[in-house]
Amino acid sequence: AQSVTQLDSHVSVSEGTPVLLRCNYSSSYSPSLFWYVQHPNKGLQLLLKYTSAATLVKGINGFEAEFKKSETSFHLTKPSAHMSDAAEYFCVVSDRASGGSYIPTFGRGTSLIVHP
Amino acid sequence: SAVISQKPSRDICQRGTSLTIQCQVDSQVTMMFWYRQQPGQSLTLIATANQGSEATYESGFVIDKFPISRPNLTFSTLTVSNMSPEDSSIYLCSVEGTSLGMDLTDTQYFGPGTRLTVL
Repeated sequence: AQSVTQLDSHVSVSEGTPVLLRCNYSSSYSPSLFWYVQHPNKGLQLLLKYTSAATLVKGINGFEAEFKKSETSFHLTKPSAHMSDAAEYFCVVSDRASGGSYIPTFGRGTSLIVHP
Repeated sequence: SAVISQKPSRDICQRGTSLTIQCQVDSQVTMMFWYRQQPGQSLTLIATANQGSEATYESGFVIDKFPISRPNLTFSTLTVSNMSPEDSSIYLCSVEGTSLGMDLTDTQYFGPGTRLTVL
């Protein structure tokens, strides 16, 4: 069984300040972990993915995430927020279910608000 | 990268009617997935659609309410039947990256979604 918890429903930052979106997961296997972003009235875009090759994963738009197995966390960060980063962010865990297919589980989402 | 498109992008429907949503991928894929995203909520998997077999539905979703077709390797439809206001959601289709020939295995790639409002 797998699950994912996004610890904050909303995060509010000022433009130019760091961003931290928190995510904790549980999985019976060695999971793959993802962050997706959804801008208003848009579909989901893959930001980055962790697959065990490296614990620090760099994604698009300056975002990165660090996998910490001891803490079962996969927090998303960005050094300096931009107004265009305002969106909904989803943390996703996926492990190989019986039958061999990967079925992802989505967190509830964190709304990132960026103030000028 | 592959393109995933959905039609319609949005619709407003009357209760009791049905709407069929189309998902088209510009390359052949084995598995396609349908999700629902209710207002202010996360994504919930409705069903997995494999070409040539019946769709596999998740708990809480039934074929009579959400019939799915998968006539070939590039296309799928999801019908929302006998709609009620509770069906107002964004419906998204996705495919797994390995099916698209991408390096990112077990990664889902999403269409733009269909925003449905039921009055």
